[in-house]
Order: sequence, then C-alpha cells, then structure tokens
Amino acid sequence: AQKITQTQPGMFVQEKEAVTLDCTYDTSDQSYGLFWYKQPSSGEMIFLIYQGSYDEQNATEGRYSLNFQKARKSANLVISASQLGDSAMYFCAMREGLNFGNEKLTFGTGTRLTIIP
Amino acid sequence: DTGVSQNPRHKITKRGQNVTFRCDPISEHNRLYWYRQTLGQGPEFLTYFQNEAQLEKSRLLSDRFSAERPKGSFSTLEIQRTEQGDSAMYLCASSFRDRGDNEQFFGPGTRLTVL
Repeated sequence: AQKITQTQPGMFVQEKEAVTLDCTYDTSDQSYGLFWYKQPSSGEMIFLIYQGSYDEQNATEGRYSLNFQKARKSANLVISASQLGDSAMYFCAMREGLNFGNEKLTFGTGTRLTIIP
Repeated sequence: DTGVSQNPRHKITKRGQNVTFRCDPISEHNRLYWYRQTLGQGPEFLTYFQNEAQLEKSRLLSDRFSAERPKGSFSTLEIQRTEQGDSAMYLCASSFRDRGDNEQFFGPGTRLTVL
C-alpha cells in the first residue's frame, strides 16, 4: 500500500483564489510527522509546512495552512490567495517512527499546480 | 548563510562509467541525506548520515552505489558501472535535528543522464 497518496496529478487555479492540495497517508505509528514541499521547475525542494501527529492545532505558515484530520489520515495543504509564483510541483511527505529515530522521508507522487492569471 | 550545494548540477555519462557526486550541507547540520528522484515521481530515500556515520541505507542502494561522509561535513555519492536506469535527479538534504519537526533542507540536485 502507498504510504503517501496524492490523488491530484495536476490542478489549474485562478490567481488570487484559494487552493487545496490533497494528501492521505498510511501508518500504524503513533508518532509521525507530515511535511509539504514545493518543487519549482528549477528542481530544488522548498520546505513549506510541518504537522506533528500529536499537534492539536493545524499548522500555519503565512499563506500556507495544513488541514490535519487524524482520524481520516489526511493532511491537505491549503494555499490562500494564490500567486503566479505558486506554480510548481507540490509534494506531501511523512516521517514515521519519530520516537525511534527514524529519519527517512517518504514522499507522494506530487501535484502539479498551475496558477492562471 | 549558504544553503545545501551540490556538484555537478548536471552529469552525462556513458553506460558502464563511474560517476561521483558531491554534497556540501549547511555548515552546522549534523545529518545528511541522499534521495533519488525519477521523472514524475517524488524523491525516494537512499541513505543518511549522522556526522560521519552512515546509519541507514535503502534497498534501492545497490552494491554499485556507495556514499561517504568522511569528516562529517561534505558527502560523496558514487555510482559504479552506471546503467540507464540510474538516470535520475540525485538530491542531497541536511538537517540539525534535536526534535522531531526539523525539516530537511534540500540542495538543487544533480541530474544524471546515462546514455
């Protein structure tokens, strides 16, 4: 089974609109972390936001927020007031076994977001 | 403050040749990671170091792959007897982790093309 599932291969969104990128995950660990990264055409992975499994509040970082629904095992990224510079690939990732020193990030297949002027 | 750097940025080689990539992490970071990303996929974990110790290796890291971090600073990833299936982007990341939420900072990657 896929550990990280991103079901939207591509999305087109009008500039200034909000956009939600879906991510579901699969783990039996109690302690894990969820990450979102942005990858522009230049190739570099840029960290956006982090949510810990024990965090009670949804994470927010500027225009980015993470809609964390633990029972549904979903961690959707919400970008408010989208900008042309938001056009990129977006990857959801998970690090399991935080209590056991696991370091590996497992990534989904990504969503290509295109912002339309 | 410089980020993670990787050299070369692009490498074209013929099948059967050996290649070596270098990664310079952010200076105070004690953890260093290597990932591989093929077209249309997310990065896949290869290996990671804590200081100079290589603590985990993925099954993806076949016998032809070797990674080192001799002084706990920069790291090298060598691929021997390259195959066309090795064509990918090789990403390096670093972190300084004393809690579970410290992100991994990625470099720009080395794109390998095996002809």
